[in-house]
Amino acid sequence: GESVGLHLPTLSVQEGDNSIINCAYSNSASDYFIWYKQESGKGPQFIIDIRSNMDKRQGQRVTVLLNKTVKHLSLQIAATQPGDSAVYFCAEPHSGGSNYKLTFGKGTLLTVNP
Amino acid sequence: DTGVSQDPRHKITKRGQNVTFRCDPISEHNRLYWYRQTLGQGPEFLTYFQNEAQLEKSRLLSDRFSAERPKGSFSTLEIQRTEQGDSAMYLCASSRGQGNTGELFFGEGSRLTVL
Repeated sequence: GESVGLHLPTLSVQEGDNSIINCAYSNSASDYFIWYKQESGKGPQFIIDIRSNMDKRQGQRVTVLLNKTVKHLSLQIAATQPGDSAVYFCAEPHSGGSNYKLTFGKGTLLTVNP
Repeated sequence: DTGVSQDPRHKITKRGQNVTFRCDPISEHNRLYWYRQTLGQGPEFLTYFQNEAQLEKSRLLSDRFSAERPKGSFSTLEIQRTEQGDSAMYLCASSRGQGNTGELFFGEGSRLTVL
Protein backbone atom coordinates (compact mmCIF):
# COMPACT_ATOMS: atom_id res chain seq x y z
CA GLY A 1 0.00 0.00 0.00
CA GLU A 2 0.97 3.60 -0.21
CA SER A 3 2.12 5.67 2.71
CA VAL A 4 3.96 8.90 3.18
CA GLY A 5 5.88 9.43 6.38
CA LEU A 6 8.37 11.76 7.96
CA HIS A 7 11.66 10.77 9.52
CA LEU A 8 11.69 13.49 12.17
CA PRO A 9 8.72 15.14 13.78
CA THR A 10 10.60 18.30 14.81
CA LEU A 11 13.55 20.25 13.49
CA SER A 12 15.16 23.26 15.11
CA VAL A 13 17.63 25.42 13.19
CA GLN A 14 19.36 28.75 13.58
CA GLU A 15 18.34 31.62 11.37
CA GLY A 16 20.49 31.66 8.28
CA ASP A 17 21.28 27.96 8.35
CA ASN A 18 20.01 25.53 5.75
CA SER A 19 17.17 23.17 6.70
CA ILE A 20 16.58 19.68 5.40
CA ILE A 21 13.23 17.97 5.93
CA ASN A 22 12.97 14.33 4.98
CA CYS A 23 10.13 12.14 3.81
CA ALA A 24 9.91 8.44 2.98
CA TYR A 25 7.32 6.72 0.84
CA SER A 26 6.51 3.06 0.43
CA ASN A 27 4.84 2.75 -2.97
CA SER A 28 7.49 2.31 -5.63
CA ALA A 29 4.88 3.20 -8.27
CA SER A 30 4.42 6.68 -6.78
CA ASP A 31 5.28 9.21 -9.46
CA TYR A 32 4.36 12.59 -8.07
CA PHE A 33 5.10 14.33 -4.78
CA ILE A 34 4.19 17.68 -3.32
CA TRP A 35 5.46 19.71 -0.37
CA TYR A 36 3.14 21.92 1.65
CA LYS A 37 3.86 24.42 4.41
CA GLN A 38 1.35 25.07 7.17
CA GLU A 39 1.85 28.02 9.48
CA SER A 40 0.11 28.08 12.83
CA GLY A 41 -3.59 28.82 12.46
CA LYS A 42 -3.51 28.72 8.67
CA GLY A 43 -4.28 26.28 5.94
CA PRO A 44 -1.55 24.40 4.07
CA GLN A 45 0.27 26.32 1.35
CA PHE A 46 1.78 24.69 -1.73
CA ILE A 47 5.55 25.02 -1.91
CA ILE A 48 6.87 22.84 -4.69
CA ASP A 49 6.19 19.57 -6.47
CA ILE A 50 8.27 16.99 -8.31
CA ARG A 51 7.51 14.19 -10.71
CA SER A 52 9.36 10.90 -10.75
CA ASN A 53 11.12 11.67 -14.04
CA MET A 54 13.15 14.25 -12.14
CA ASP A 55 15.72 13.87 -9.34
CA LYS A 56 15.81 17.50 -8.35
CA ARG A 57 13.69 20.58 -8.65
CA GLN A 58 14.47 24.07 -7.44
CA GLY A 59 12.27 26.93 -6.42
CA GLN A 60 12.90 30.14 -4.59
CA ARG A 61 15.21 29.17 -1.69
CA VAL A 62 13.81 25.63 -1.77
CA THR A 63 15.04 22.48 -3.45
CA VAL A 64 13.33 19.11 -3.52
CA LEU A 65 15.41 15.99 -4.08
CA LEU A 66 13.90 12.67 -5.04
CA ASN A 67 15.74 9.38 -4.62
CA LYS A 68 13.61 6.70 -6.18
CA THR A 69 16.06 3.94 -5.34
CA VAL A 70 15.48 4.29 -1.61
CA LYS A 71 12.05 5.88 -1.94
CA HIS A 72 13.02 9.06 -0.19
CA LEU A 73 12.53 12.74 -0.84
CA SER A 74 13.75 15.80 0.94
CA LEU A 75 12.96 19.49 1.06
CA GLN A 76 15.92 21.78 1.48
CA ILE A 77 15.40 25.37 2.57
CA ALA A 78 18.35 27.68 2.07
CA ALA A 79 19.16 30.49 4.51
CA THR A 80 16.24 29.63 6.76
CA GLN A 81 14.30 32.62 8.04
CA PRO A 82 11.93 33.02 11.02
CA GLY A 83 9.06 33.13 8.54
CA ASP A 84 9.89 29.58 7.54
CA SER A 85 8.77 28.32 10.96
CA ALA A 86 5.86 26.02 10.20
CA VAL A 87 4.83 22.40 9.81
CA TYR A 88 5.98 20.92 6.51
CA PHE A 89 4.08 18.05 4.89
CA CYS A 90 5.03 15.87 2.03
CA ALA A 91 2.05 14.55 0.11
CA GLU A 92 1.27 12.26 -2.78
CA PRO A 93 -1.89 11.36 -4.66
CA HIS A 94 -3.95 8.43 -3.47
CA SER A 95 -3.09 5.30 -5.40
CA GLY A 96 -5.04 5.37 -8.62
CA GLY A 97 -6.52 8.77 -7.89
CA SER A 98 -6.11 12.09 -9.52
CA ASN A 99 -3.65 14.52 -8.07
CA TYR A 100 -6.26 16.43 -6.11
CA LYS A 101 -6.87 13.52 -3.73
CA LEU A 102 -3.76 13.79 -1.65
CA THR A 103 -2.36 11.67 1.14
CA PHE A 104 -0.40 13.83 3.53
CA GLY A 105 2.34 12.66 5.84
CA LYS A 106 2.27 13.48 9.51
CA GLY A 107 4.43 16.58 9.12
CA THR A 108 7.66 18.02 10.46
CA LEU A 109 7.60 21.05 12.72
CA LEU A 110 10.39 23.43 11.74
CA THR A 111 11.40 26.00 14.35
CA VAL A 112 13.79 28.75 13.35
CA ASN A 113 15.71 30.31 16.20
CA PRO A 114 16.82 33.93 15.79
CA ASP B 1 -8.43 39.17 -0.38
CA THR B 2 -9.02 36.80 -3.30
CA GLY B 3 -8.07 33.59 -1.51
CA VAL B 4 -10.30 30.77 -0.29
CA SER B 5 -12.47 31.92 2.57
CA GLN B 6 -14.19 29.77 5.16
CA ASP B 7 -16.87 30.57 7.70
CA PRO B 8 -17.08 30.28 10.62
CA ARG B 9 -13.46 30.04 11.66
CA HIS B 10 -14.39 28.47 14.95
CA LYS B 11 -17.48 26.57 16.05
CA ILE B 12 -18.16 25.08 19.46
CA THR B 13 -21.21 22.88 19.69
CA LYS B 14 -22.76 20.27 21.90
CA ARG B 15 -22.87 16.65 20.91
CA GLY B 16 -25.94 15.87 18.84
CA GLN B 17 -26.26 19.32 17.30
CA ASN B 18 -25.97 20.03 13.58
CA VAL B 19 -23.32 22.35 12.20
CA THR B 20 -22.73 23.83 8.77
CA PHE B 21 -19.54 25.26 7.32
CA ARG B 22 -19.30 27.45 4.26
CA CYS B 23 -16.46 27.75 1.77
CA ASP B 24 -16.00 30.39 -0.91
CA PRO B 25 -13.31 29.26 -3.35
CA ILE B 26 -11.12 31.42 -5.56
CA SER B 27 -13.52 32.74 -8.17
CA GLU B 28 -11.99 31.25 -11.30
CA HIS B 29 -11.47 27.82 -9.74
CA ASN B 30 -14.00 25.18 -10.67
CA ARG B 31 -12.60 22.42 -8.50
CA LEU B 32 -13.38 22.44 -4.79
CA TYR B 33 -12.27 20.04 -2.06
CA TRP B 34 -12.94 19.40 1.59
CA TYR B 35 -10.29 17.95 3.86
CA ARG B 36 -10.29 17.26 7.58
CA GLN B 37 -7.29 17.71 9.86
CA THR B 38 -6.96 16.54 13.44
CA LEU B 39 -4.31 17.75 15.83
CA GLY B 40 -0.82 16.58 14.94
CA GLN B 41 -1.91 14.96 11.70
CA GLY B 42 -1.89 15.90 8.06
CA PRO B 43 -5.12 16.76 6.23
CA GLU B 44 -7.33 13.86 5.10
CA PHE B 45 -9.40 14.02 1.91
CA LEU B 46 -13.16 14.09 2.38
CA THR B 47 -14.79 15.05 -0.93
CA TYR B 48 -14.30 16.74 -4.29
CA PHE B 49 -16.49 18.87 -6.58
CA GLN B 50 -16.02 19.70 -10.22
CA ASN B 51 -18.31 22.68 -10.68
CA GLU B 52 -21.55 21.65 -8.98
CA ALA B 53 -21.00 17.92 -9.34
CA GLN B 54 -19.73 15.97 -6.34
CA LEU B 55 -17.43 13.51 -8.07
CA GLU B 56 -15.80 11.72 -5.20
CA LYS B 57 -16.43 11.05 -1.52
CA SER B 58 -14.09 9.44 0.97
CA ARG B 59 -15.34 6.63 3.15
CA LEU B 60 -14.43 9.01 5.99
CA LEU B 61 -17.55 10.95 4.99
CA SER B 62 -20.22 9.08 6.95
CA ASP B 63 -23.91 9.51 6.23
CA ARG B 64 -24.02 12.25 8.88
CA PHE B 65 -21.91 14.40 6.58
CA SER B 66 -23.26 16.09 3.48
CA ALA B 67 -21.56 18.53 1.16
CA GLU B 68 -23.12 20.62 -1.55
CA ARG B 69 -22.05 23.10 -4.16
CA PRO B 70 -25.37 24.08 -5.67
CA LYS B 71 -24.30 26.71 -8.20
CA GLY B 72 -20.74 25.62 -8.71
CA SER B 73 -19.42 28.48 -6.63
CA PHE B 74 -19.54 28.33 -2.81
CA SER B 75 -19.87 25.03 -0.97
CA THR B 76 -21.33 23.95 2.35
CA LEU B 77 -20.38 21.03 4.55
CA GLU B 78 -23.02 19.97 7.05
CA ILE B 79 -22.49 17.57 9.90
CA GLN B 80 -25.63 16.20 11.51
CA ARG B 81 -25.83 14.80 15.05
CA THR B 82 -22.26 15.79 15.81
CA GLU B 83 -20.07 13.46 17.83
CA GLN B 84 -16.95 14.26 19.84
CA GLY B 85 -14.91 12.43 17.22
CA ASP B 86 -15.97 15.05 14.68
CA SER B 87 -13.82 17.64 16.46
CA ALA B 88 -11.26 18.72 13.90
CA MET B 89 -10.24 21.45 11.50
CA TYR B 90 -12.28 21.33 8.31
CA LEU B 91 -10.27 22.67 5.41
CA CYS B 92 -11.61 23.76 2.07
CA ALA B 93 -9.41 24.06 -0.99
CA SER B 94 -9.88 24.95 -4.62
CA SER B 95 -7.95 24.67 -7.84
CA ARG B 96 -8.25 25.39 -11.54
CA GLY B 97 -9.92 22.89 -13.80
CA GLN B 98 -6.98 22.45 -16.16
CA GLY B 99 -4.07 20.15 -15.64
CA ASN B 100 -3.40 17.39 -13.17
CA THR B 101 -1.51 19.13 -10.42
CA GLY B 102 -1.41 18.71 -6.68
CA GLU B 103 -1.37 22.49 -6.16
CA LEU B 104 -4.43 23.14 -4.07
CA PHE B 105 -5.24 26.52 -2.57
CA PHE B 106 -6.43 26.01 0.99
CA GLY B 107 -8.51 28.28 3.17
CA GLU B 108 -7.65 28.87 6.80
CA GLY B 109 -10.12 26.26 7.95
CA SER B 110 -13.12 25.98 10.22
CA ARG B 111 -12.25 24.53 13.60
CA LEU B 112 -15.01 22.43 15.14
CA THR B 113 -15.10 21.53 18.82
CA VAL B 114 -17.82 19.13 19.92
CA LEU B 115 -18.42 19.09 23.67
